[in-house]
Amino acid sequence: QQQVKQSPQSLIVQKGGISIINCAYENTAFDYFPWYQQFPGKGPALLIAIRPDVSEKKEGRFTISFNKSAKQFSLHIMDSQPGDSATYFCAASSGTYKYIFGTGTRLKVLA
Amino acid sequence: SQTIHQWPATLVQPVGSPLSLECTVEGTSNPNLYWYRQAAGRGLQLLFYSVGIGQISSEVPQNLSASRPQDRQFILSSKKLLLSDSGFYLCAWSVRGARGYTFGSGTRLTVV
Repeated sequence: QQQVKQSPQSLIVQKGGISIINCAYENTAFDYFPWYQQFPGKGPALLIAIRPDVSEKKEGRFTISFNKSAKQFSLHIMDSQPGDSATYFCAASSGTYKYIFGTGTRLKVLA
Repeated sequence: SQTIHQWPATLVQPVGSPLSLECTVEGTSNPNLYWYRQAAGRGLQLLFYSVGIGQISSEVPQNLSASRPQDRQFILSSKKLLLSDSGFYLCAWSVRGARGYTFGSGTRLTVV
């Protein structure tokens, strides 16, 4: 019940296309859902986050869609660019200490 | 502004040798501190977290230990490394009572 399942494991998208990464959770006590972006050899950096009281949050080309009833949330990257090529992690938490991370999606955007 | 420092960046250690990884945070007080491990092709696994000096919570029983000797210093240690300890170790901090981690740049540990 503490798992966050992330898919796909890897994704290849053409430049200008839409990248979509999905996550699903079981624990209904989760109340904070961040996405992190990690470049090779670097630590993950917070990209965008959402709380379950909203269904969508947008920041620039990045959008989180949240479906509380289905216990799913997804990251959409519009107009994907080669510079977006990185590993993306979803996460969930029910408090301020512990995050449960997904297994990551390696995104490659072709020029 | 707050910054997090983690060192060394890479480390190659023989099996059975000790380990000490250090993490420090600047520009804040009373942070929550975390150690995560990222194994190849896998997600981020929480190893330890600390809400104050000397206060350590362990998430996964294993060959590692953590200490927080000062408010903004977090150390990950092992007395005898195993091959399975290889991985990418990440320190992170958060404001007490707030959401959102900030990760350090990580240490790539290879046990040979």
